[in-house]
Amino acid sequence: AQSVTQPDIHITVSEGASLELRCNYSYGATPYLFWYVQSPGQGLQLLLKYFSGDTLVQGIKGFEAEFKRSQSSFNLRKPSVHWSDAAEYFCAVGAGTGGFKTIFGAGTRLFVKA
Amino acid sequence: DTAVSQTPKYLVTQMGNDKSIKCEQNLGHDTMYWYKQDSKKFLKIMFSYNNKELIINETVPNRFSPKSPDKAHLNLHINSLELGDSAVYFCASSHRTGEAFFGQGTRLTVV
Repeated sequence: AQSVTQPDIHITVSEGASLELRCNYSYGATPYLFWYVQSPGQGLQLLLKYFSGDTLVQGIKGFEAEFKRSQSSFNLRKPSVHWSDAAEYFCAVGAGTGGFKTIFGAGTRLFVKA
Repeated sequence: DTAVSQTPKYLVTQMGNDKSIKCEQNLGHDTMYWYKQDSKKFLKIMFSYNNKELIINETVPNRFSPKSPDKAHLNLHINSLELGDSAVYFCASSHRTGEAFFGQGTRLTVV
């Protein structure tokens, strides 16, 4: 069965520091992978996606993620965090068998300190 | 010009009542979803519809009944509401194998 694991429930970084949020997935075929961000009281916004091709994908707001098949990982990175990046981040895998659905990890809450 | 809109944004109701949440998307997507987000922020898919047909029903209690009058709308009816139904419900839509676009959520509180 498909699953997504985000090992870190919450992470705190200083403004201007680099960020890496971890994500591991379990899926039998080549996955569709996504990162979403959710600000308080808001819906989810797509940051970036991986379907195929270049394993390093660029997203909005200066985020990038790297797909590593050998590690079943899709970690999210940002070189310099801004206070406005404080939010909940969700990694997700898209499963296309028997009807497409997106399975989400439990989320990582990012805190940014001045 | 909201892509996925759901109403109401907040819903407070008593146990045992029946309520509905409406969702509309203007993105031309074929697939629509309902997700439930619990108090710990965990997102779980409830239903998936493709061109008005139910594709996925993730063992949701039959008190929850989705209805899709056309592929731009997917409403969620909940009968005999229970305390445990309190959560944020998100509607979303996507192309068949694409990323999902989410509505702003409906915070349901059952008292």
